[in-house]
Amino acid sequence: KAGVTQTPRYLIKTRGQQVTLSCSPISGHRSVSWYQQTPGQGLQFLFEYFSETQRNKGNFPGRFSGRQFSNSRSEMNVSTLELGDSALYLCASSWGLAMETQYFGPGTRLLVL
Amino acid sequence: AQTVTQSQPEMSVQEAETVTLSCTYDTSESDYYLFWYKQPPSRQMILVIRQEAYKQQNATENRFSVNFQKAAKSFSLKISDSQLGDAAMYFCAYRSAVDKIIFGKGTRLHILP
Repeated sequence: KAGVTQTPRYLIKTRGQQVTLSCSPISGHRSVSWYQQTPGQGLQFLFEYFSETQRNKGNFPGRFSGRQFSNSRSEMNVSTLELGDSALYLCASSWGLAMETQYFGPGTRLLVL
Repeated sequence: AQTVTQSQPEMSVQEAETVTLSCTYDTSESDYYLFWYKQPPSRQMILVIRQEAYKQQNATENRFSVNFQKAAKSFSLKISDSQLGDAAMYFCAYRSAVDKIIFGKGTRLHILP
């Protein structure tokens, strides 16, 4: 089985721009979660989707949004980028919700200049 | 609110020796799972081991085992016969049935040849 894939792997943007990141879960997995990883804050939960519905949301501003499609693929969008949004964005998928083990993708490294 | 604390930001161990990584958590839930994830340098995060809170028996996966003390809310990871490939950032994580997953700040483990 193919693992979780994320595109693009690297991205450079400037302040004020917007960005869309994509995540394809493991085949059969219906849940997708997104995380922001920075050296200072560690891993922070952004949001979780299951069957196209947002189930949980972290403490991030409204500039961060996401969605999930009927094939379980997910996208996250960050509008009006700030320098502090530079981070590794990780996507993880699991078969279901609750306490299922999550499988992580390689991440998208975003640099905001 | 649930919290996960990893008090050791960095640790070193001699190859072939045993090392224990600490993790404590705080929760009022009775039903939850605990996880240890490993993130090697520039590689994706993978699950090392997981423990169901309702199980008294400590989980074991080959050279990796946990010491789960539910009353003390402690969940340490023991790595036996440390190998160079064990060098990574290790994250402790908690998740209940009703909440999002919460990660600790991580412990960077160095293996000395």
